[in-house]
Amino acid sequence: DVKVTQSSRYLVKRTGEKVFLECVQDMDHENMFWYRQDPGLGLRLIYFSYDVKMKEKGDIPEGYSVSREKKERFSLILESASTNQTSMYLCASSPPQQPFVVNYGYTFGSGTRLTVV
Amino acid sequence: LAKTTQPISMDSYEGQEVNITCSHNNIATNDYITWYQQFPSQGPRFIIQGYKTKVTNEVASLFIPADRKSSTLSLPRVSLSDTAVYYCLVGEDDYKLSFGAGTTVTVRA
Repeated sequence: DVKVTQSSRYLVKRTGEKVFLECVQDMDHENMFWYRQDPGLGLRLIYFSYDVKMKEKGDIPEGYSVSREKKERFSLILESASTNQTSMYLCASSPPQQPFVVNYGYTFGSGTRLTVV
Repeated sequence: LAKTTQPISMDSYEGQEVNITCSHNNIATNDYITWYQQFPSQGPRFIIQGYKTKVTNEVASLFIPADRKSSTLSLPRVSLSDTAVYYCLVGEDDYKLSFGAGTTVTVRA
């Protein structure tokens, strides 16, 4: 069974701490994504990566950075955690987009609920 | 960017058919329409995808008119376990898909 695994289900961190959220996929997917989800706002894209060492900003990259040193692993870094980064963080992966090929499926992890106090 | 618009919420009862319509007026020629389902405390999961006309699988049906400016997800005979948030997404030229707030479907007994 293919999987996207997020290292922590729940995390509590203090304001100002550097926080690492880890995500690993076993499907050999090129694309990986980090989203955050907040009530009433849906999922918002933070960063994505389409290849090792490549990264692109999503819609809300401020306060975050990412690292992709290996194809299967994509890390989200909160350089200095703040209370407004309390949220559910979701990692996803997908194969490359191909026009006219029905294969847009993202596979999501179960999420990490981060609380910054 | 192809933006989507869908209702914020819908209520239904067990055994009824639920139809969720999504508008995507700026859909591009190469874009597919994809629907995801998300249960509480879980990540979204892919349920169906289509390009035109009708697609059906074991979970749902997807109806897409000829102009492709909208699509309708149909959930037949819903049960309590179909209570979830449903997202309509339209493919973009780059790799990322944009999720909106989705439609919260509540099924009551």
